[in-house]
Amino acid sequence: DAKTTQPTSMDCAEGRAANLPCNHSTISGNEYVYWYRQIHSQGPQYIIHGLKNNETNEMASLIITEDRKSSTLILPHATLRDTAVYYCIVRVGGNKLVFGAGTILRVKS
Amino acid sequence: GAVVSQHPSRVICKSGTSVKIECRSLDFQATTMFWYRQFPKQSLMLMATSNEGSKATYEQGVEKDKFLINHASLTLSTLTVTSAHPEDSSFYICPGALSLGLEGLDTIYFGEGSWLTVV
Repeated sequence: DAKTTQPTSMDCAEGRAANLPCNHSTISGNEYVYWYRQIHSQGPQYIIHGLKNNETNEMASLIITEDRKSSTLILPHATLRDTAVYYCIVRVGGNKLVFGAGTILRVKS
Repeated sequence: GAVVSQHPSRVICKSGTSVKIECRSLDFQATTMFWYRQFPKQSLMLMATSNEGSKATYEQGVEKDKFLINHASLTLSTLTVTSAHPEDSSFYICPGALSLGLEGLDTIYFGEGSWLTVV
């Protein structure tokens, strides 16, 4: 599975959109982009995944560039409860999830 | 999303004893379950992958005789930490994979995990 690169940390004002970038320049054609988050002391929570097209669900939007070498997770209206570590993972369906260091998102009032 | 339940959520055991952690998928059949552990301020590290009815596949560096994994059914997997030592104290979590039936695509759902403290 391809490796991902994410910023170590980001801050976001409460109520504003949080845009979390992820680089995956070595992604292959059959690898999906998954996003999870982990709030302190809890298990990771699935957020969204995509292959080529942009995706949106009740939690977030996922924007994948046309060349698929990078993506952005968007939390449209961040709240204090969105403070967490966000993991961007690329994987082929059926394979294991390999977690990197992720991005620490701090939402501030 | 799919629900995975883990028990116990917190356990304290004495050094040298064994402790079992159960992982159940409550509303889906998890053909594959994974076991991860996470030390403080570190990321999740995969320990092993288990498929129902077959032996678990362990990651490099994980002692299979120390961390016994049994995937007895499509909804239950157990991890037994044998002869536990203080350095085994960690957060253990077992997500289950829910197949979406599209070219092998699946989504992996996590429960709340188990905190093990060995004293």
